[in-house]
Amino acid sequence: AQSVTQPDIHITVSEGASLELRCNYSYGATPYLFWYVQSPGQGLQLLLKYFSGDTLVQGIKGFEAEFKRSQSSFNLRKPSVHWSDAAEYFCAVAGNQFYFGTGTSLTVIP
Amino acid sequence: GAGVSQSPRYKVTKRGQDVTLRCDPISSHATLYWYQQALGQGPEFLTYFNYEAQPDKSGLPSDRFSAERPEGSISTLTIQRTEQRDSAMYRCASSLVGTSGRETQYFGPGTRLLVL
Repeated sequence: AQSVTQPDIHITVSEGASLELRCNYSYGATPYLFWYVQSPGQGLQLLLKYFSGDTLVQGIKGFEAEFKRSQSSFNLRKPSVHWSDAAEYFCAVAGNQFYFGTGTSLTVIP
Repeated sequence: GAGVSQSPRYKVTKRGQDVTLRCDPISSHATLYWYQQALGQGPEFLTYFNYEAQPDKSGLPSDRFSAERPEGSISTLTIQRTEQRDSAMYRCASSLVGTSGRETQYFGPGTRLLVL
């Protein structure tokens, strides 16, 4: 069965610090993986996606994610967090449907 | 249009009333999805359309929920005899191609439904 797990419900980081949001997936075949960001009062915005090829994927707003098949992970990273990055982040895997994780809420402190 | 739009943005209704939510996808997009997102949760799949066909409605929680896309563009999600547990954000997304997995879904802003 397809599923996505985001182990961290809430993360707090200082502005300028590095960030890593965890995502683990369960899928029988080659997964198609996505990270979306949801800001307060906004819709879901695509940050980046992985279909095949290079396992390190670059996205918008300085985010990147690395697909690790051996760990069934697709963690999202950013080297230096900005206050405007405070939002809810969702990992998703696409099969016959899209399956979303429960989200990780990011707080950025000055 | 430039993006996916949904209306209304907010809807407050009394228990037992019917509500209809509207989604206007990106004009070139064949596939349209409906999701329900409870507070503090990720979006959960309800149903999807390929043009006007509705191949999968397995995610609809009960027969009170129905969706239409009669001309393959705008879609409506109707909830009959609303219950308090229907309170959630309802999100619509569209994509260019069908559910091959090699697609990106573009989301609308959502409709926040509150059933009193």
